[in-house]
Amino acid sequence: QKEVEQDPGPLSVPEGAIVSLNCTYSNSAFQYFMWYRQYSRKGPELLMYTYSSGNKEDGRFTAQVDKSSKYISLFIRDSQPSDSATYLCAMSLRGVAGNKLTFGGGTRVLVKP
Amino acid sequence: DADVTQTPRNRITKTGKRIMLECSQTKGHDRMYWYRQDPGLGLRLIYYSFDVKDINKGEISDGYSVSRQAQAKFSLSLESAIPNQTALYFCATSEGSYEQYFGPGTRLTVT
Repeated sequence: QKEVEQDPGPLSVPEGAIVSLNCTYSNSAFQYFMWYRQYSRKGPELLMYTYSSGNKEDGRFTAQVDKSSKYISLFIRDSQPSDSATYLCAMSLRGVAGNKLTFGGGTRVLVKP
Repeated sequence: DADVTQTPRNRITKTGKRIMLECSQTKGHDRMYWYRQDPGLGLRLIYYSFDVKDINKGEISDGYSVSRQAQAKFSLSLESAIPNQTALYFCATSEGSYEQYFGPGTRLTVT
């Protein structure tokens, strides 16, 4: 069983819809939670980062962490065609080991105009 | 200019050949990483280096080796390539935090 599970999709939504993405994990020692966005033929780039349970907002993006359930989510409001990409969740431990990220498999998202 | 560059961007090679992938960065970061990406498996860590004298194996280091020639350069070698090493390879850097900066990737095909 993988440490981090993520539905591969693809997830197809109409422009303006809310996109809901999630990951589950098995290692309760993970302390830091990230979402990376990867456009086709590009390297991933950090989208959001959280380290505590609860919600964090950044513009149209909301990251949610529930450590008790070992579940994290990313919501994209008012989705745009430019949001079409693969979204990868990533997690890490505390301290020096925190530099090593464990990634989910990624969910491909397609926002149709 | 890109902060993290990888060469080559695409490579086709034959089984048994030795191949080197190169990564250079201008971000001034001490920490560098090599990942491979396969469909549905996300990114898996091959090797990482926290400074020039520090090299560590990741979760899938078998069949790979690395060299940290300088703070800015980190190379990945496949000593004897095999078809299941066909994948997208990414180099990344960080300055000691959760945020890693990725290069554009190298698409490697082993026939």
